Formats: sequence, C-alpha cells, structure tokens
Amino acid sequence: QSVLTQPPSVSAAPGQKVTISCSGSSSNIGNNFVSWYQQLPGTAPKLLIYDNNKRPSGIPDRFSGSKSGTSATLGITGLQTGDEADYYCGTWDSSLSAVVFGGGTKLTVL
Amino acid sequence: QVQLVQSGAEVKKPGASVKVSCKASGYTFIDYYMYWVRQAPGQGLEWMGWINPNSGGTKYAQKFQGRVTMTRDTSISTAYMELSRLRSDDTAVYYCARDGAITGTTLWFDPWGQGTLVAVSS
Repeated sequence: QSVLTQPPSVSAAPGQKVTISCSGSSSNIGNNFVSWYQQLPGTAPKLLIYDNNKRPSGIPDRFSGSKSGTSATLGITGLQTGDEADYYCGTWDSSLSAVVFGGGTKLTVL
Repeated sequence: QVQLVQSGAEVKKPGASVKVSCKASGYTFIDYYMYWVRQAPGQGLEWMGWINPNSGGTKYAQKFQGRVTMTRDTSISTAYMELSRLRSDDTAVYYCARDGAITGTTLWFDPWGQGTLVAVSS
C-alpha cells in the first residue's frame, strides 16, 4: 500500500490528452514539492517534472504538472505510442521522514 | 554528460550481504547528494536513503535501518549501497539517482543509474 495514491492504469488514443492523479495528505503533497517520473519498459525511471510544475531541459512541453492542496496531477497532451510507460509521483513525507512514491500508473496509448 | 554507471547483477543466498556500486561522471561528485531506490519485480519504487558525498552523512529509510549502509569513495567518484541479512523479498532492481540540484536535498532525482538486479535465492 503506497502512501501516495495513483490510478493503476489510464488509456487514451494517439493525439489525445490524459491526466494522471496523485493523491496524498498534508504531511506529504500538501506541504512539499512533487516530482514525476516516466519509466519506459525495461529501463530506469526518468525525471519528467520537478517542484510541482517545472520541466527539466529536454522534456517537451506536452508534459505538465500541477498541484492543488493534497493532490497533484501530471498531464500529457498529443499522446504518442512512445509515451506508453509507467508514471510515478514522488515527494517528501514530513511525518515519515522519508521520500514516498505513488504506486505507479500504467499508460496505454490505444 | 552526467552519467551514473552501476555494477552488474548479483545472485545471493538468504542471509548474505550485497554491495552495489554507482560510479558518477560528468559532474563534481561531492556537490550532489546521492539516493538509492529499489524496485521489486512488477512493483513500484521504494526509497532506501541518501548519502551526502561531501561529508559522508547518511539518512536511511526506517524500514532499512540496521541493514543498509551507504558509503562513498570520493577519489573514484563512486557511491556504494550495502544491504545485509538478505531475504527473498529483497529481490529487486536497485537504482542510484543523483539529487537534482547542487545544494542540499531537493528530493527529486536526476539522473538515475541503469539499475542493478539483486536476486536472493537459496
């Protein structure tokens, strides 16, 4: 059972938009920055979003992040088959004194 | 470019220890915290702890306290994670990952090593 809650799977057609939610509490998302990672099959995770809504260099603006209260959202527009991957949210939990991750969301581009 | 290269896969028996290395290149090793994260087969990400390569100071997740030791060798820009008293449920891919910014702990990870599979089986 992960501290952060993500939907196990989402799907959408190529070219469409999808959002992935990440729900937490005041001890984690509510008072700390959120980051998002993409894990393509058989590879290491890759940073997509940091500090709630910032993109590292090289990450296309099709990827966006937002946070409201104790929830965060990753948005992906213009879906491509290459976006099929597992997506994880992460943040610091002040009560646990630990980095916590969501359980991951598998994105299928139909 | 910034790169983290980890040691190869390991097969261990229950009760043994494993030490995974993570060699950094493309940046000043002591300037960035290093994290360790593991992923059991088909499961999500689990944070294990961090090391400050400059001071050697560490912080471990409570779950691993007493079993994990993170060290570094600044002369060869390499971080290590040793896990002792291995159990079958320690079977996982172990990743090192660098902190995102040059000062303190931003707690976002970029980049990641390629991962090291540790299999624990009798």
